[in-house]
Amino acid sequence: EDKVVQSPLSLVVHEGDTVTLNCSYEVTNFRSLLWYKQEKKAPTFLFMLTSSGIEKKSGRLSSILDKKELSSILNITATQTGDSAIYLCAVLTSGYALNFGKGTSLLVTP
Amino acid sequence: DADVTQTPRNRITKTGKRIMLECSQTKGHDRMYWYRQDPGLGLRLIYYSFDVKDINKGEISDGYSVSRQAQAKFSLSLESAIPNQTALYFCATSESDRGHAFFGQGTRLTVV
Repeated sequence: EDKVVQSPLSLVVHEGDTVTLNCSYEVTNFRSLLWYKQEKKAPTFLFMLTSSGIEKKSGRLSSILDKKELSSILNITATQTGDSAIYLCAVLTSGYALNFGKGTSLLVTP
Repeated sequence: DADVTQTPRNRITKTGKRIMLECSQTKGHDRMYWYRQDPGLGLRLIYYSFDVKDINKGEISDGYSVSRQAQAKFSLSLESAIPNQTALYFCATSESDRGHAFFGQGTRLTVV
């Protein structure tokens, strides 16, 4: 059975802190790992990672995949209150749909 | 207009009623999905379809059925709604098995 596990499940930090969110997976026929941000309703796409060791960056957010360790991290530097959201990790396997983890709920306090 | 549109956005229904949630997309994607989200449980896959003639069960398909009426339309039905089907439901589409999914705005369903 495919599994995607995120940690921590929730996190409270102060503005300006740096956070690291973790995602590990056990799946067959791995194709890619994706990160989404969910604020109010629909998840919005952040990153898609297919190759190990190549960092993807977008502003203060960055992510990297380690296929040897079957894991990925999402880093957010200099956090802002607008970063408060649920961060979802999903794994795409060949011939199948996205398999999501339970998400990490991040709260950034002023 | 949104690329992936779900209707209704909110619905309250009674136990035992039949209800249909509809999803339409203008992205031209072949793949469509239905997920439900419950607090602390992430997104769980109900059904997915890779083209009009292809329907597949996800991890939690019991109590649900789907219809892929056209490439652009994928509807989810609850034949006899029960309270533990109260959840936030998302429709999503993707272009291929390498592309990321685009989500609709969600339907908040309450079964009383």
